Amino acid sequence: GAGVSQSPSNKVTEKGKDVELRCDPISGHTALYWYRQSLGQGLEFLIYFQGNSAPDKSGLPSDRFSAERTGGSVSTLTIQRTQQEDSAVYLCASSPGAGLRKGSPLHFGNGTRLTVT
Amino acid sequence: GQNIDQPTEMTATEGAIVQINCTYQTSGFNGLFWYQQHAGEAPTFLSYNVLDGLEEKGRFSSFLSRSKGYSYLLLKELQMKDSASYLCAVRVDSNYQLIWGAGTKLIIKP
Repeated sequence: GAGVSQSPSNKVTEKGKDVELRCDPISGHTALYWYRQSLGQGLEFLIYFQGNSAPDKSGLPSDRFSAERTGGSVSTLTIQRTQQEDSAVYLCASSPGAGLRKGSPLHFGNGTRLTVT
Repeated sequence: GQNIDQPTEMTATEGAIVQINCTYQTSGFNGLFWYQQHAGEAPTFLSYNVLDGLEEKGRFSSFLSRSKGYSYLLLKELQMKDSASYLCAVRVDSNYQLIWGAGTKLIIKP
C-alpha cells in the first residue's frame, strides 16, 4: 500500500463499550507501533511489535488495553470497557527492519480519533 | 526521568525565518527526530540528527548539540502551508523507543 492505513478514522462510543482499532502498515514493514496522542501532550507509547511478537507492551495503560498482530501485517488495538479518559487520537506507525536503525523514520497513519461519551 | 521541552506555540510571518527549540533530558541518546503534523493528519518525518552540527534540507535545517541537550529546527522562507505542529523526538537506548515532546504549534500569518 501507499502508506499506513488506520480505521475507523473517527469512533464515538459509550462508556463501558468495547472498541477495536485497526492498522494496516506499509507492506514489508516488520516493526509496528501504537501511540496515543492527547491534546497538548506528547505521543504516548503503547506497544511495539516486531513481526507478530510484542517485545514491549510496557506502555499499555491498563489491562483493558490489548493488541495483536497477525501475519506480520495488520494489527488491532482493543480497548475493553472504555472510559472517558480513553478519549484521544490513536496513532499507528510502521518502519522497515528492527526499529529505528540509522535514523530510519517511523511512517504514521492518520490515526483514529476516539471519543468516549 | 525522561523529559523533552518545546514551546507550546509560536507565530511567524510569511516569508520570514523561525527557529523552534527543543531541549531534552533523557537516560540515553541515539538520535533526534523532527516531525511535522498538520491538524488531523499523520506526523511526517522532517529530519534526523545524531551527530553535533547542522543538517540542511531545502528550506528546513536542524541543529544538534549533544553536550547541551539541545536541538532546533530552522524554517526559512515561511509559507502558509508550514502552519502545523512540529514534534521533537529522542531515540533513547533501545533501537525502537522514542520519547516525544508535546509539539510546537506554528502559526503563519500573511
